[in-house]
Amino acid sequence: EPEVTQTPSHQVTQMGQEVILRCVPISNHLYFYWYRQILGQKVEFLVSFYNNEISEKSEIFDDQFSVERPDGSNFTLKIRSTKLEDSAMYFCASSVPTTPSSYNEQFFGPGTRLTVL
Amino acid sequence: GQQLNQSPQSMFIQEGEDVSMNCTSSSIFNTWLWYKQDPGEGPVLLIALYKAGELTSNGRLTAQFGITRKDSFLNISASIPSDVGIYFCAGPDGGGADGLTFGKGTHLIIQP
Repeated sequence: EPEVTQTPSHQVTQMGQEVILRCVPISNHLYFYWYRQILGQKVEFLVSFYNNEISEKSEIFDDQFSVERPDGSNFTLKIRSTKLEDSAMYFCASSVPTTPSSYNEQFFGPGTRLTVL
Repeated sequence: GQQLNQSPQSMFIQEGEDVSMNCTSSSIFNTWLWYKQDPGEGPVLLIALYKAGELTSNGRLTAQFGITRKDSFLNISASIPSDVGIYFCAGPDGGGADGLTFGKGTHLIIQP
């Protein structure tokens, strides 16, 4: 069964460093998302991406964040200058509208645990 | 933004028991989704609901979309050890390919 994959599974970085989290969405999916989950808290939406551009972003997704689809398979999240409070699990998700409503059925990857020291 | 309130926050049950959890919102949702998250993994979609009043099953799981569009419940019948995890309700922020708003989750613990 097709699945969303993410690399690395765990990333440790120093405060102020740039990190790039990578995702390979399900191959025929068209909508791509990034979420984060701080330890013990709920999953929070960061950004959605469709047709090679951002379609929606949350208040969390400030100028330190950027997303890119550099080729036909990868979808990346870059944090330009990490802060301690960026430590969290970051999940990539993707979806495809097989019906007018089913674009909301988002399939999540296993996540990247980002630890900022 | 919209908020989803889940209850209970945690449940301690015996294997074989039925489970019921619910999710409410102060605003209308056009879609309700139920996800399960195992420790250290990403959320896995269990059930998607699209119509008010809709009742949908997936094996031992049953979920309903409330008539008011402001609530949903998830039932698990005859719980087994692998049902342990955190169950989240979620809904889209608005029209289009929007991000999902998640509830804070119901932590299901099954006692031997």
